[in-house]
Amino acid sequence: EAQVTQNPRYLITVTGKKLTVTCSQNMNHEYMSWYRQDPGLGLRQIYYSMNVEVTDKGDVPEGYKVSRKEKRNFPLILESPSPNQTSLYFCASSFGVRYGYTFGSGTRLTVV
Amino acid sequence: DAKTTQPPSMDCAEGRAANLPCNHSTISGNEYVYWYRQIHSQGPQYIIHGLKNNETNEMASLIITEDRKSSTLILPHATLRDTAVYYCIAYSGTYKYIFGTGTRLKVLA
Repeated sequence: EAQVTQNPRYLITVTGKKLTVTCSQNMNHEYMSWYRQDPGLGLRQIYYSMNVEVTDKGDVPEGYKVSRKEKRNFPLILESPSPNQTSLYFCASSFGVRYGYTFGSGTRLTVV
Repeated sequence: DAKTTQPPSMDCAEGRAANLPCNHSTISGNEYVYWYRQIHSQGPQYIIHGLKNNETNEMASLIITEDRKSSTLILPHATLRDTAVYYCIAYSGTYKYIFGTGTRLKVLA
């Protein structure tokens, strides 16, 4: 089944403890992106990647890192999480800019 | 990319057509109109997109006005499972996809 898989689905962590949210797609998509969703603020783009080793900042990149070493994987790294990074995170992928995006099921992160 | 404006909420009776409007009066010639929906806190689901011609697929129809300043997403026979937040996006391919606050559609039994 064609899909974007995020792990974990739920995560509670403490401030400052490094964490990685994984994202993997099995559709050979070139484009991948991370979003966060907060009440009243909608979906905001964190980072995106046009292809392997090519990444760029979205609208809210502060406090996040990404890497794209393989086409299928696009992990989101929080080096020192803070409570304001508590949010619902989505990974998405697409063949390219003129195609619809496939989203993962989301990762609900709580930083205490 | 152009800003889009949608009504915050709409109701529709089950079995009737749901017509969701979107205003994108500043859209430029190379910007496509995309529609997504999000059910509860699931990942957004792609529905349809178009440039200037009307489009139809198994989920919905997209009607874009001739001047391209507005569009309407039509769900021909709405069901309870179509209750969701619907997002209209004007996108030129800059890799920055901007989701607005969308329209919360409630399908009533």
